[in-house]
Amino acid sequence: QQPVQSPQAVILREGEDAVINCSSSKALYSVHWYRQKHGEAPVFLMILLKGGEQKGHEKISASFNEKKQQSSLYLTASQLSYSGTYFCGTLARGGNMLTFGGGTRLMVKP
Amino acid sequence: NAGVTQTPKFQVLKTGQSMTLQCAQDMNHEYMSWYRQDPGMGLRLIHYSVGAGITDQGEVPNGYNVSRSTTEDFPLRLLSAAPSQTSVYFCASSDRTGRGETQYFGPGTRLLVL
Repeated sequence: QQPVQSPQAVILREGEDAVINCSSSKALYSVHWYRQKHGEAPVFLMILLKGGEQKGHEKISASFNEKKQQSSLYLTASQLSYSGTYFCGTLARGGNMLTFGGGTRLMVKP
Repeated sequence: NAGVTQTPKFQVLKTGQSMTLQCAQDMNHEYMSWYRQDPGMGLRLIHYSVGAGITDQGEVPNGYNVSRSTTEDFPLRLLSAAPSQTSVYFCASSDRTGRGETQYFGPGTRLLVL
């Protein structure tokens, strides 16, 4: 079963912050975050492996609440280059399939 | 390293035709997978492989076959193409020794079935 992402779309002005959420109905081993620009392949951002572990990528960070099976991606002081569609991928405990959510479209305007 | 390569980049098929989408990686990754992405949608897993000779079904396997005879190659076969298979297909690979590694995506194959 695919994870659920929210919101489906976000429009920001440069410098504003955003949060993208990802939730699963299964117990998770890891959560992966990717960004996809229009017409391109998804590009890896980060992986979260442990409950509560946060990892960062420039001004993009994420958290993983293992008990709630949820992850959130935080984009601070957004830049034009952050525009794209963000996907979370989840790997269930004991599983081998990395399944992705429906994506969140982020548009950053000047 | 070329990373993950896919051929062809574009393909137009008629309903009922068959074809093979090629995927190769030169990173000696054990895990490879195929996803399809419909317009405005997320990525849906078709088939995956955890090593040469081992394949398994993903979320949407119907209408597709795979095989993994070598570590490098993971072709996807459409036996009898249908318009519902019009999509962008991405191949991906990762080193799953720790099950937390980055998954690298190929550039994609855009398929149109008429």
